[in-house]
Amino acid sequence: DAGVTQTPRHEVAEKGQTIILKCEPVSGHNDLFWYRQTKIQGLELLSYFRSKSLMEDGGAFKDRFKAEMLNSSFSTLKIQPTEPKDSAVYLCASSLEGSYEQYFGPGTRLTVL
Amino acid sequence: AQKVTQTQTSISVVEKTTVTMDCVYETRDSSYFLFWYKQTASGEIVFLIRQDSYKKENATVGHYSLNFQKPKSSIGLIITATQIEDSAVYFCAMRGINTNTGKLTFGDGTVLTVKP
Repeated sequence: DAGVTQTPRHEVAEKGQTIILKCEPVSGHNDLFWYRQTKIQGLELLSYFRSKSLMEDGGAFKDRFKAEMLNSSFSTLKIQPTEPKDSAVYLCASSLEGSYEQYFGPGTRLTVL
Repeated sequence: AQKVTQTQTSISVVEKTTVTMDCVYETRDSSYFLFWYKQTASGEIVFLIRQDSYKKENATVGHYSLNFQKPKSSIGLIITATQIEDSAVYFCAMRGINTNTGKLTFGDGTVLTVKP
């Protein structure tokens, strides 16, 4: 089975730009998670979907971050407008409801200039 | 709210030895799952092993095993016969069983360096 895929792997944006990160979960998984990882804050949950319904939207990230599940096998994370402090690795993970282990994608490294 | 604490920031060992990484947690849930994940230098995060709180037996997968001490709210990861490629960041995580959420709470990670 294919694992979680994320594109692009690297993204460089100018301050104020809009960027869209993409994620395809493991086939059949119905829980999908977006995380941000930085050295200072560690792993932070941005959004959590179950069967395409938004279950949790990280409060601190609501204003410029918007995650969507367009269908059960595709999700996007939009950051609008980007700021230099958004530079981080963005990770997507999925799991089977009831399976509990999350499987992570390779991440997208975002640099905002 | 749940909390996971990994007090060891980094550990260095010689290959082929055994290493234990500590993790303590806080939760109000009566039943829960505990996990260990590994993040390699490339950034890949890989699930390693899981402990169910209602099981007394310590979980074991390959050369990974757990030291689950429920009264101490502690879940240590033991790696035996360490190899150079075990060098990575190890994260402890947890979630409640009887909650309608798959959300995990992660610790800050422990950097393991295995030297020849």
